[in-house]
Amino acid sequence: QQPVQSPQAVILREGEDAVINCSSSKALYSVHWYRQKHGEAPVFLMILLKGGEQKGHDKISASFNEKKQQSSLYLTASQLSYSGTYFCGTVTPYNTDKLIFGTGTRLQVFP
Amino acid sequence: DGGITQSPKYLFRKEGQNVTLSCEQNLNHDAMYWYRQDPGQGLRLIYYSQIVNDFQKGDIAEGYSVSREKKESFPLTVTSAQKNPTAFYLCASSPRHDYGYTFGSGTRLTVV
Repeated sequence: QQPVQSPQAVILREGEDAVINCSSSKALYSVHWYRQKHGEAPVFLMILLKGGEQKGHDKISASFNEKKQQSSLYLTASQLSYSGTYFCGTVTPYNTDKLIFGTGTRLQVFP
Repeated sequence: DGGITQSPKYLFRKEGQNVTLSCEQNLNHDAMYWYRQDPGQGLRLIYYSQIVNDFQKGDIAEGYSVSREKKESFPLTVTSAQKNPTAFYLCASSPRHDYGYTFGSGTRLTVV
């Protein structure tokens, strides 16, 4: 069963912040985050492994709560280039070779 | 430059015909994957392979077949048994399961 993302869509002005959530009904081994621009391939942003470690670079970071089977992606001081659809992908400990993508969150940043 | 090459970018086929989508990587990655994406939808896993000569079914394998005869190649055949083949097909690879995936630029298949 695929993870559920919320919200489904976000509209921002440049400089505003956003949080995208990813929730799974199964225990998790790791969570991936990707961004896809229209008509293009998804681009890897980061991976979070078991341990609750928060990772990030520049103004995009993420957290992973194993107990709640949830992850959140934080985008601060958004830029026009942040526009796109964000997907989380989850890996369970039952099959660490299989990445299942979430439903996606469409983010639009306007000047 | 290392990467994943998918060809062709656009493909048109008549209903009832089998078609093979190419995926080649020069990243020396062990694992390769095929996903299908429908308009406005997420990515669904078709097949995946961790090593040469071995592959597993994903969540929507019916109507598809793959082979992994070489580490760098993982072609996908869309057979006539696939009921709704029109979609955007993405190939990906990774060094191992705790690394991010690198995606190819995709093949947009239209069956008429």
